[in-house]
Amino acid sequence: GIQVEQSPPDLILQEGANSTLRCNFSDSVNNLQWFHQNPWGQLINLFYIPSGTKQNGRLSATTVATERYSLLYISSSQTTDSGVYFCAVNQGAQKLVFGQGTRLTINP
Amino acid sequence: NAGVTQTPKFQVLKTGQSMTLQCAQDMNHEYMSWYRQDPGMGLRLIHYSVGAGITDQGEVPNGYNVSRSTTEDFPLRLLSAAPSQTSVYFCASSLLQGGETEAFFGQGTRLTVV
Repeated sequence: GIQVEQSPPDLILQEGANSTLRCNFSDSVNNLQWFHQNPWGQLINLFYIPSGTKQNGRLSATTVATERYSLLYISSSQTTDSGVYFCAVNQGAQKLVFGQGTRLTINP
Repeated sequence: NAGVTQTPKFQVLKTGQSMTLQCAQDMNHEYMSWYRQDPGMGLRLIHYSVGAGITDQGEVPNGYNVSRSTTEDFPLRLLSAAPSQTSVYFCASSLLQGGETEAFFGQGTRLTVV
């Protein structure tokens, strides 16, 4: 089956810093989503981005489907950005395959 | 519009007990699914359904049963709980095809089996 790898596994930054999270996948996909799991365990939808670039406030994401990777950019980090960021993909039939996540810690 | 609603939020079971985790969605999505999340890991698919009356197994189906009698509801049953089923369970729904098929998740059920 398809493999999803996220990097880095852990990232510790000071408030105000910028960060880039990467998601590599091993085969072509129909769907790619980025989620933020907050410290209370909730999964929050960030982007539905099978290809192209999207922006939402301080966050943006780019998926280059032909090269099988996606990037999540967080600018001017805030402590509320802390948590685990997951990338998930599927190849059809909506069965999402998740990466292991990037744990982001933003220190004040 | 509540989205995806899971109940209960927390549950403690004794080994061998049975229980049902409830999941309901009000977005008229055909596709519903159950995932489990173990510490430090991503989510893994347990079972999924592409519509009422149709279910299939995911990556880790052993020990779990599902049924889909309506579009809105997709309960997950543990017939005889085991400590290995201690996990956080998430239900998700999405459109099956056509346009954006973004998945939406419930708030999760934290299950402990002692």
